[in-house]
Amino acid sequence: KNQVEQSPQSLIILEGKNCTLQCNYTVSPFSNLRWYKQDTGRGPVSLTIMTFSENTKSNGRYTATLDADTKQSSLHITASQLSDSASYICVVDSNDYKLSFGAGTTVTVRA
Amino acid sequence: SAVISQKPSRDICQRGTSLTIQCQVDSQVTMMFWYRQQPGQSLTLIATANQGSEATYESGFVIDKFPISRPNLTFSTLTVSNMSPEDSSIYLCSVPTGRTEAFFGQGTRLTVV
Repeated sequence: KNQVEQSPQSLIILEGKNCTLQCNYTVSPFSNLRWYKQDTGRGPVSLTIMTFSENTKSNGRYTATLDADTKQSSLHITASQLSDSASYICVVDSNDYKLSFGAGTTVTVRA
Repeated sequence: SAVISQKPSRDICQRGTSLTIQCQVDSQVTMMFWYRQQPGQSLTLIATANQGSEATYESGFVIDKFPISRPNLTFSTLTVSNMSPEDSSIYLCSVPTGRTEAFFGQGTRLTVV
C-alpha cells in the first residue's frame, strides 16, 4: 500500500528561526514528490516539485530535498515568518494522476 | 496554471440533508478530482470526474452517497447526500495541469449537526 508519512505532526517555532519537516514514503512507482502549503481555510498550494533525478529544489525561503534511494524528503524553512504558519503536505505522484498525501505537518510561527 | 473557484467555502447542514459543492475552472481540463480531508488526516480521493462519462469512484465511496456531475470541461459538482455528522470534513476539487502540477480549489468546510 502506498504510504506517505510526515513528521513531526506539529511544531512551534519563533519568528526568524529555521525548521525542517520530514517525509518518508513507500509509493511505487515514483514519478515526482511535491510539497504543498495549506493555509487554514484554503486549498493546498504547490511549493516545490522534484522528480527522481533532483536532489534539491528551492522556492524562496523553502528548500526541499529528495533522497530517492532511501525514499525520504525534507522541507527546510529558513528565517520563518508569521505567514509561514500553515500545514505543509508531502505528496507523491506515482505516474497515474493518483496522488498519495501525507497527513501534513502543522507549523505555528510565533512572534 | 489554473484558477479554481469552489463554493460554498463553508456550510453547516442538518443531518439527512444534501449539499452540492461546485467547482469552476478558468480553463478546459480533461480530469477533475474530488477529495475529502478529515480533521488531522491526509487528503483522500473520492472520485475522478470525467466529462462525457460517469465518474470513477475510489474504494469506500459510492455514487449514491457522492453523486458527481461534469457537464462540461470547466465545471463539476459533488453532492454529499443524506449527510451524517461523520461527513463533516473539508471537500476539495483539484485539476492536474501537465504531469507534475495540480491546483486545488479553496475547499468547502462542511459541518453536519
